[in-house]
Amino acid sequence: EIVMTQSPGTLSVSPGERATLSCRASQSISNNLAWYQQKPGQAPRLLIYGASTRATGIPATFSGSGSGTEFTLTISSLQSEDFAVYYCQQYNNWPPLTFGGGTKVEIK
Amino acid sequence: EVQLVESGGGLVQPGGSLRLSCAASGFIFSNYEMNWVRQAPGRGLEWVSYITSSGSNTAYADSVKGRFTISRDNAKNSLYLQMNSLRAEDTAVYYCARETRRVPSYYWGQGTLVTVSS
Repeated sequence: EIVMTQSPGTLSVSPGERATLSCRASQSISNNLAWYQQKPGQAPRLLIYGASTRATGIPATFSGSGSGTEFTLTISSLQSEDFAVYYCQQYNNWPPLTFGGGTKVEIK
Repeated sequence: EVQLVESGGGLVQPGGSLRLSCAASGFIFSNYEMNWVRQAPGRGLEWVSYITSSGSNTAYADSVKGRFTISRDNAKNSLYLQMNSLRAEDTAVYYCARETRRVPSYYWGQGTLVTVSS
């Protein structure tokens, strides 16, 4: 099973600032990495797939990078609606499909 | 527009059974692989089960293997999860999700809450 590790667990950021979230895989997953955003009481929403491709309707303020075992999600200028929990997921070698533990982005 | 609507959640006693449904619309259901993903209260996301577009192949997380069964009825545009021998640790919101562009969970439903408690 591929273990996904996200850091930090919580990120405190001021509105308008840049946020950088990390995700590490326990073995190489090529670029088969997705990022999701989840707000309280809502289902997760796909932001990024293929490590760097934005999903339909996702603004350019969200960008993803990385390959192999190290990945990054960057939110260039945080808006109020961006404060949420973010999860990474590998789909290179599954089942099982595995998710990271999440990073909560909160208002500083 | 892709729509996935889960139903069938509720309160069940330990050892009991429940069947979840996911009604799909806005796309040709029989063309897509589907998954169930769950989230315990205050916890992260956990993949539960997978089924191919035809229903001929399935997979399960170790935590539910032998207790849960995924199935689908392509004529009814519906996905199911039969859950038996339920345990307290199965308490979670259960989401159905559709594959697109090799991403197993591109689209998500709104979820249905299953509570296992006496």
